Amino acid sequence: GAGVSQSPSNKVTEKGKDVELRCDPISGHTALYWYRQSLGQGLEFLIYFQGNSAPDKSGLPSDRFSAERTGGSVSTLTIQRTQQEDSAVYLCASSLSGSSYEQYFGPGTRLTVT
Amino acid sequence: GQNIDQPTEMTATEGAIVQINCTYQTSGFNGLFWYQQHAGEAPTFLSYNVLDGLEEKGRFSSFLSRSKGYSYLLLKELQMKDSASYLCAPRGSNDYKLSFGAGTTVTVRA
Repeated sequence: GAGVSQSPSNKVTEKGKDVELRCDPISGHTALYWYRQSLGQGLEFLIYFQGNSAPDKSGLPSDRFSAERTGGSVSTLTIQRTQQEDSAVYLCASSLSGSSYEQYFGPGTRLTVT
Repeated sequence: GQNIDQPTEMTATEGAIVQINCTYQTSGFNGLFWYQQHAGEAPTFLSYNVLDGLEEKGRFSSFLSRSKGYSYLLLKELQMKDSASYLCAPRGSNDYKLSFGAGTTVTVRA
């Protein structure tokens, strides 16, 4: 079946502009995660959605970052007033539930802020 | 928070064995995962350990010692396609999210 999809695959934006990154999880997966991976670094947790529960936003680096998950499926990560340090690959993952042990990752969105 | 330590790079010859060590500190413990990530691609799940001992899955095995905060991933009969980054990811007892180490880049040479 279809895996996790993300769009766009690449995004180049000017400093100060807002960007939206989209994630389509695997159908039926109730848990959705956003991570960020900077060049040569490990994955950094950003935010977690589980069903209709309030999301865990503890990993968001600043109030310029926000995320929504509509209808328990598609999620959008929004970065306002982008900065050069926001340049990274943004990865989305989903799992059957928060306690399921396997997270399936999407291909990521490479964001470059010039 | 979580502290995760694994070597940055390892090089091995095709057909050989490589062991990637990972030490971690977590607030409680609820399993440790290993993921493989090829350059420019998303991580893919390799293994999961929640009890002490060795879990074998084909050419790959993963070991866990909870008391020592230690795990390793063993790659046997190395193939060129095994050249990738290997990420150690422990999970705390009250966490559903994973904390990833920076990864170990394994280079397999002919």
